[in-house]
Amino acid sequence: KQEVTQIPAALSVPEGENLVLNCSFTDSAIYNLQWFRQDPGKGLTSLLLIQSSQREQTSGRLNASLDKSSGRSTLYIAASQPGDSATYLCAVTMNRDDKIIFGKGTRLHILP
Amino acid sequence: ETGVTQSPTHLIKTRGQQVTLRCSSQSGHNTVSWYQQALGQGPQFIFQYYREEENGRGNFPPRFSGLQFPNYSSELNVNALELDDSALYLCASSPGVGYTFGSGTRLTVV
Repeated sequence: KQEVTQIPAALSVPEGENLVLNCSFTDSAIYNLQWFRQDPGKGLTSLLLIQSSQREQTSGRLNASLDKSSGRSTLYIAASQPGDSATYLCAVTMNRDDKIIFGKGTRLHILP
Repeated sequence: ETGVTQSPTHLIKTRGQQVTLRCSSQSGHNTVSWYQQALGQGPQFIFQYYREEENGRGNFPPRFSGLQFPNYSSELNVNALELDDSALYLCASSPGVGYTFGSGTRLTVV
C-alpha cells in the first residue's frame, strides 16, 4: 500500500530564505508526482507535476525534484515571501487516471 | 482561475440527515474524483467516475455515493450523516492527465 510522508509537518522561516520541503513515498512504481498548495480552508492549486520519467520541474521560484528509485521528492522555494505561507501537499498517482494519494502536508509560515 | 466549481461553499447539517454536494467540471473532463479532507490531514480518496461509471472507490462506507452526468457535472451524496463526516470535500476533474481541484465544500455536522 502506497504511503506518502512529508517532513517537516510545519516550518517557519524568515522572508528571503531559500527552503526545501521533503516528501517520501513507499512504493517507487509511481506514474507521476505532484506538488499542491493549499491556503487555509481553500481548495488545492497544482504547482508542479513530474512524470515518472522526469527528474525535475521548475516554475518561477519553485523547483521540484524526483528520485523515484529512492522514493523521494523535494520542493525547493527560492527567496521566500510572506505570500508563500500556505500548506504544501505532495501527492502521487500509481497509474494514469488513478486516484491521488496525498501526504499530510507541510504548513509553511514565512516571517516578514 | 479554476475550471472546477463546487457548491455550496459551506453547509451545516444535523447528525442523521442526508446531504448532496455538487461539482461542475470543464468540458472534456471525463474523469471526476471526490476527496474528503479532515482538519490537519491530507485529502482522502472517496471515489472516482469516468464517463458516468464509477471506476474506483476508497475506504468509505456505502452511505457515500455519487453520480456523474453527461454535462460534466457530478454529485456526492452522504446519507445518515455522522459527526466524523465534518470535513472539506474536494472535487477534482481531469481530461486524462493531471487534475484540477475545486475550492471545496466545508461540511459541518452537528
